[in-house]
Amino acid sequence: ETGVTQSPTHLIKTRGQQVTLRCSSQSGHNTVSWYQQALGQGPQFIFQYYREEENGRGNFPPRFSGLQFPNYSSELNVNALELDDSALYLCASTLGGGSMDEQFFGPGTRLTVL
Amino acid sequence: AQSVTQLDSQVPVFEEAPVELRCNYSSSVSVYLFWYVQYPNQGLQLLLKYLSGSTLVKGINGFEAEFNKSQTSFHLRKPSVHISDTAEYFCAVTPDTGRRALTFGSGTRLQVQP
Repeated sequence: ETGVTQSPTHLIKTRGQQVTLRCSSQSGHNTVSWYQQALGQGPQFIFQYYREEENGRGNFPPRFSGLQFPNYSSELNVNALELDDSALYLCASTLGGGSMDEQFFGPGTRLTVL
Repeated sequence: AQSVTQLDSQVPVFEEAPVELRCNYSSSVSVYLFWYVQYPNQGLQLLLKYLSGSTLVKGINGFEAEFNKSQTSFHLRKPSVHISDTAEYFCAVTPDTGRRALTFGSGTRLQVQP
């Protein structure tokens, strides 16, 4: 039990729609990262937030955006959904700011785009 | 940039047999290395990590891994597997400076048979 929760568990959307996924980090964890895991693949880094500011971004287009709130919750927003956005979306929170600190993963949100 | 190669997509093994899951990485900078396990419909759980020091790292559930800098490898081993070890295993790296995201391999499916 990592203490990182995500909602919803599953979500079905149609192409062109917008979606918001939510993550609640462990208390005190000021860094949150979001990953996309396509079926049969390893997680791919989307972006990271540190103290409510974006702190790094992977190779994802601007229609993927995020927010981090003072209460250790965060959101991943995806606009203009495409079929290839179907994946498991994972958030991970970290207590410290360094690379050595363990990232605690939530169970993920399974997004299906039809 | 970093990349991770997990050479085996699936590894079938009988219960109580030893197993090795292979991981090779590429990076122009020094890295930290991690192994994560993902059970069905769950997020990722850290098995072990190499930051520095002894190249043999022990983790949870009887797993261990050996860092080989000259071969840029970080293979995961367990001397005797159980049915409950059936899962997806991911090797990951991150630069050892700054606040950086994890780069994952594509995963190895360990299938333990009775």
